[in-house]
Amino acid sequence: QSALTQPASVSGSPGQSITISCTGTSSDVGSYNLVSWYQQHPGKAPKLMIYEVTKRPSGVSNRFSGSKSGNTASLTISGLQAEDEADYYCCSYAGTSTLVFGGGTKLTVL
Amino acid sequence: QVQLVESGGGVVQPGRSLRLSCAASGFTFSSYGMHWVRQAPGEGLESVAVISHDGSNKYYADSVKGRFTISRDNSRNTLYVQMNSLRAEDTAMYFCARPYCSGGNCYWAFGYWGQGTLVTVSS
Repeated sequence: QSALTQPASVSGSPGQSITISCTGTSSDVGSYNLVSWYQQHPGKAPKLMIYEVTKRPSGVSNRFSGSKSGNTASLTISGLQAEDEADYYCCSYAGTSTLVFGGGTKLTVL
Repeated sequence: QVQLVESGGGVVQPGRSLRLSCAASGFTFSSYGMHWVRQAPGEGLESVAVISHDGSNKYYADSVKGRFTISRDNSRNTLYVQMNSLRAEDTAMYFCARPYCSGGNCYWAFGYWGQGTLVTVSS
């Protein structure tokens, strides 16, 4: 159950778009359209932003979108806002009721 | 509204045991599988254990297999994890989490989280 690979950090200016990648293997990301993304502000519990690769839970801004190609999933945030500054984690189903997370990406809004 | 409240964390010596609880409210607890997810200080998230809605199926991360036991009491709307033979690397915030559900379907995604309870393993 190796962790998925995410960049340690990304940054962008307000109004810009950024993309965070999440690379797994053919046993997790590549095999299932069951990738989710979480936003976590310091000292808070994570918040679900995307599930099943592209779907947004009710109440999540449409500035957040997800995609997947092969073993790599991506989260795109458009129209960056100061409140988007947080840690972001991807997560994939990996079979046998197990889930594996990425190491997390710190987003800085310049 | 869905509420998950963890308790039972604290400081414990290596090799000792601890039991965490998660009190659930605002939904029909017995209808949902439940998860424990942990986060070491300054580190990422790790899915630790999952239990089916009726407790008949349980799965564990390799890092805790044989040491942790997940369980639930549907009459008390409470999720548990019994942690034995604790190690320094088990030091973390422990969250309980419920799957996200919409339109009658539930998904492999954590839709609801508690605030967490901190476990520190140190001599």
